[in-house]
Amino acid sequence: DVKVTQSSRYLVKRTGEKVFLECVQDMDHENMFWYRQDPGLGLRLIYFSYDVKMKEKGDIPEGYSVSREKKERFSLILESASTNQTSMYLCASSLESGSANQPQHFGDGTRLSIL
Amino acid sequence: QKEVEQNSGPLSVPEGAIASLNCTYSDRGSQSFFWYRQYSGKSPELIMFIYSNGDKEDGRFTAQLNKASQYVSLLIRDSQPSDSATYLCAVWMGKSTFGDGTTLTVKP
Repeated sequence: DVKVTQSSRYLVKRTGEKVFLECVQDMDHENMFWYRQDPGLGLRLIYFSYDVKMKEKGDIPEGYSVSREKKERFSLILESASTNQTSMYLCASSLESGSANQPQHFGDGTRLSIL
Repeated sequence: QKEVEQNSGPLSVPEGAIASLNCTYSDRGSQSFFWYRQYSGKSPELIMFIYSNGDKEDGRFTAQLNKASQYVSLLIRDSQPSDSATYLCAVWMGKSTFGDGTTLTVKP
């Protein structure tokens, strides 16, 4: 079974802090994704990566950056946390297989509160 | 217009009935289509994926894809209370885009 592990289940930070959310997958997947999920707004893609050191902006990249130094690890960084970044953050990974994208496997999520 | 739209719900069906969930998408070039189930407080889990026009069946679940009409649907036969969840439609169009989800309640 694919295992996607997010470093924290719950996290509380203060406005202006630099926040790191970590995600590790154990199935040698090429693609990794970061989403946030908010009531009424659904699941929105922040960034994704299809290879080490590669990244692509999703629909809402503003205020975030990412790092993928190793294939199994994809980090989401909030450069200067703000209260509107309080949300559930979900990491996912998938295999790369040409034009037909493979299903994504999700971590348990990190519920981040910015005070 | 949203890139991926799902019927707004919530949807309520009696136990044993067929639940029908619908999704339309805007990009004709989309190649891959997925249905995920998400229980309250949990992360999404894959139910079905479909790449070709037509029907794909897996147990009580059937995914239907019509690329000409740009819709994909999920049918759940013999619905059970344990099927009560939010169902998310996802489409790969160069990036991953999810619909807002349809909440299904199956009443005993």
